Amino acid sequence: DTAVSQTPKYLVTQMGNDKSIKCEQNLGHDTMYWYKQDSKKFLKIMFSYNNKELIINETVPNRFSPKSPDKAHLNLHINSLELGDSAVYFCASSRRFRGRPDYNEQFFGPGTRLTVL
Amino acid sequence: AQKVTQAQTEISVVEKEDVTLDCVYETRDTTYYLFWYKQPPSGELVFLIRRNSFDEQNEISGRYSWNFQKSTSSFNFTITASQVVDSAVYFCALPLNAGGTSYGKLTFGQGTILTVHP
Repeated sequence: DTAVSQTPKYLVTQMGNDKSIKCEQNLGHDTMYWYKQDSKKFLKIMFSYNNKELIINETVPNRFSPKSPDKAHLNLHINSLELGDSAVYFCASSRRFRGRPDYNEQFFGPGTRLTVL
Repeated sequence: AQKVTQAQTEISVVEKEDVTLDCVYETRDTTYYLFWYKQPPSGELVFLIRRNSFDEQNEISGRYSWNFQKSTSSFNFTITASQVVDSAVYFCALPLNAGGTSYGKLTFGQGTILTVHP
């Protein structure tokens, strides 16, 4: 009964390719997120969706395009992959607390380790 | 500036020692929440605690305790009698204003790598 699942767990690809990472949560949360963790373990939010609507879009190259087909899914498509995109990407979800989803515990997926060669 | 700082990049201790991980934050919000997450070597991120800015009581959960000091904008985490299984990266986090929206963004500190040696 995985709460937040991501596929694939590992992704190795060549520069210039296009790839997607899928995320699903079965917790009934209405907010989902994508985070990037670099090689120094620094975690940074990329996107946040609430009820399929984009809420937060950090300074991320437009080669990254999130898509939320429904509340339970948030996918990340990356075009023209670059070496610097190599990182671990985490999906997360949360429920609102006092009107704010970021006031509540976030449940994270297992991460997708992307390696661009 | 709004930010979260974990000044200790790496800490190494021997089993059974007590260890404190520091977290200092800056925020313009008057109401806010603070979080600690743990990332063991297996890589997943695990929630440890959430603390309301109005509640300055220390929290204890088994060997874990948290000291919240609003006056110094700190939310420190202490592990008593550390164990090898405590080895992980620990992150302090704070939702920061996303500017004009009703949703903040959870901003993480740089993380502290804790290694507990047997």
